[in-house]
Amino acid sequence: GEDVEQSLFLSVREGDSSVINCTYTDSSSTYLYWYKQEPGAGLQLLTYIFSNMDMKQDQRLTVLLNKKDKHLSLRIADTQTGDSAIYFCAESNNNDMRFGAGTRLTVKP
Amino acid sequence: DTAVSQTPKYLVTQMGNDKSIKCEQNLGHDTMYWYKQDSKKFLKIMFSYNNKELIINETVPNRFSPKSPDKAHLNLHINSLELGDSAVYFCASSHAYRTDTQYFGPGTRLTVL
Repeated sequence: GEDVEQSLFLSVREGDSSVINCTYTDSSSTYLYWYKQEPGAGLQLLTYIFSNMDMKQDQRLTVLLNKKDKHLSLRIADTQTGDSAIYFCAESNNNDMRFGAGTRLTVKP
Repeated sequence: DTAVSQTPKYLVTQMGNDKSIKCEQNLGHDTMYWYKQDSKKFLKIMFSYNNKELIINETVPNRFSPKSPDKAHLNLHINSLELGDSAVYFCASSHAYRTDTQYFGPGTRLTVL
């Protein structure tokens, strides 16, 4: 079946850039998403990108999509302690939405 | 302000019981969904409900039924619960049907004993 994979942990220092990577297998994906989950909270949509785009920038967030390699990344510039959370990559087609297992980002002061 | 909320957060019940999970969205969206998260963290869509049109994933047992009293609510009712129904269920909403970004609730963890 289709799959979405991401590394489980990432640790950075405050002020550095964070890059969270994700790979997926579904070639019919139409949308790709990044969600943030803080402790005890639900999934918060951070940003999304259409599958025909290569890049999307939204303030401190930059999403890069390599459709050929089925690779999605989220770059957080000037990472703050408040960015510490679990980040989920997700992709959807017309039928299903699939999430990765989540990357736990820890920001050290 | 909570955009998409679900109650209860946790639900533990006996096999054979009937239970409901409630979902409310205050985003003014036209479409709501129910997903079941499987053991690999994948979300499988169960229902889409848009302007009183219900789209059902044909793999969902008819023991599951969505009920929408108004546009802001889509509740999930489950009859005769089975052990295999244990999972996390997510509600979501969006402006347009499937072509727009979906906003998710926090999930309801259902455990059937």
